Amino acid sequence: AQSVAQPEDQVNVAEGNPLTVKCTYSVSGNPYLFWYVQYPNRGLQFLLKYITGDNLVKGSYGFEAEFNKSQTSFHLKKPSALVSDSALYFCAVRGPTDSWGKLQFGAGTQVVVTP
Amino acid sequence: DTGVSQDPRHKITKRGQNVTFRCDPISEHNRLYWYRQTLGQGPEFLTYFQNEAQLEKSRLLSDRFSAERPKGSFSTLEIQRTEQGDSAMYLCASSSEAGLAGGNEQFFGPGTRLTVL
Repeated sequence: AQSVAQPEDQVNVAEGNPLTVKCTYSVSGNPYLFWYVQYPNRGLQFLLKYITGDNLVKGSYGFEAEFNKSQTSFHLKKPSALVSDSALYFCAVRGPTDSWGKLQFGAGTQVVVTP
Repeated sequence: DTGVSQDPRHKITKRGQNVTFRCDPISEHNRLYWYRQTLGQGPEFLTYFQNEAQLEKSRLLSDRFSAERPKGSFSTLEIQRTEQGDSAMYLCASSSEAGLAGGNEQFFGPGTRLTVL
């Protein structure tokens, strides 16, 4: 069975500082990995994904993520956080046999960026 | 706006009543998903449609839940005899089948928040 873990319930960072949100996964075979962001009372917005190729993927709003197969991690990063980045972030995985398939989400990490 | 839309945005009902939610996916997407999200948790998969065919249902989808996508366009999710434990945000998502389909991201609607009193 596949699973996703986001070990931090909340990450606090000052505006302008680097932001990292951690994600580890467990899946048989090569995973498809995704990051989504959720603002209050809104649906999830897609940020970026790793399918194959370069381990460093770049996404929307200046976010990037690094796929590390040996550590089974897919941490989300932003070099300089903004107050507007304060939101709930979800990592999700899809196994290679789920060619159409459902996403397995982590529990989410609340990011708080202070001015 | 050509994104995924859901209606209603909020629904308050009494225990035992039936409720129905609607999802309109992005028009060219043939894949449609329903998820449920409770407070402090990530979305959990409920069911999946490819065109009008319902191809998978989660064990979370008890026999009180039914979903349809009659013409392969919009979808409805009905909950019969609602219980307080059904209170959650119900999210709909759609995706394209084009390209490397397993790698296609899903686009989510704003959700329907259900409160069962």
